[in-house]
Amino acid sequence: GAGVSQSPSNKVTEKGKDVELRCDPISGHTALYWYRQSLGQGLEFLIYFQGNSAPDKSGLPSDRFSAERTGGSVSTLTIQRTQQEDSAVYLCASSSGQISTDTQYFGPGTRLTVL
Amino acid sequence: GENVEQHPSTLSVQEGDSAVIKCTYSDSASNYFPWYKQELGKRPQLIIDIRSNVGEKKDQRIAVTLNKTAKHFSLHITETQPEDSAVYFCLPGYSSASKIIFGSGTRLSIRP
Repeated sequence: GAGVSQSPSNKVTEKGKDVELRCDPISGHTALYWYRQSLGQGLEFLIYFQGNSAPDKSGLPSDRFSAERTGGSVSTLTIQRTQQEDSAVYLCASSSGQISTDTQYFGPGTRLTVL
Repeated sequence: GENVEQHPSTLSVQEGDSAVIKCTYSDSASNYFPWYKQELGKRPQLIIDIRSNVGEKKDQRIAVTLNKTAKHFSLHITETQPEDSAVYFCLPGYSSASKIIFGSGTRLSIRP
């Protein structure tokens, strides 16, 4: 079946502009995660959804970052007033149920470059 | 807060030799312990996982061992091959979203 998809695959923007990144999870997966991976670095957790709810937003780096999920499916990560330090690959993952005991399936990522 | 440490950060082994990567965690509520592999330019993928009711799990050349008392689990790769070259991440089970912390990663290189 179809895996996790993300769009766009690449995004180049100018400092100060807003960007929206989209994630389509595996059909039926109730949990959805967003991560950030800077070049050559590890996986930084940003936020997760159980259904349409995000119980904990403490991982978001600043108030310029927000995320939403509608219909228990598609999620968007929005970065307002982008800064050069926001340049990274943004990865989305989904899992079928309990966040603590299920395999996460990752999308291919969106490479964001802020000039 | 949750503390996760992964060692070593880089590892180079001769093809055919074994590699071991260790992950230490602090959340005593953890009960699920997966390892993910990320090849260059690709997405992370699960390669093996273990649950807290067992001490070891093996899948061909890959194994994971768990020591819940000492709060660490390890990835073992035997008879290493060039396609094992990648970055490996651990993800100790988390009791809440605030504790979703991947290990910092181990870059494994296989020398021909």
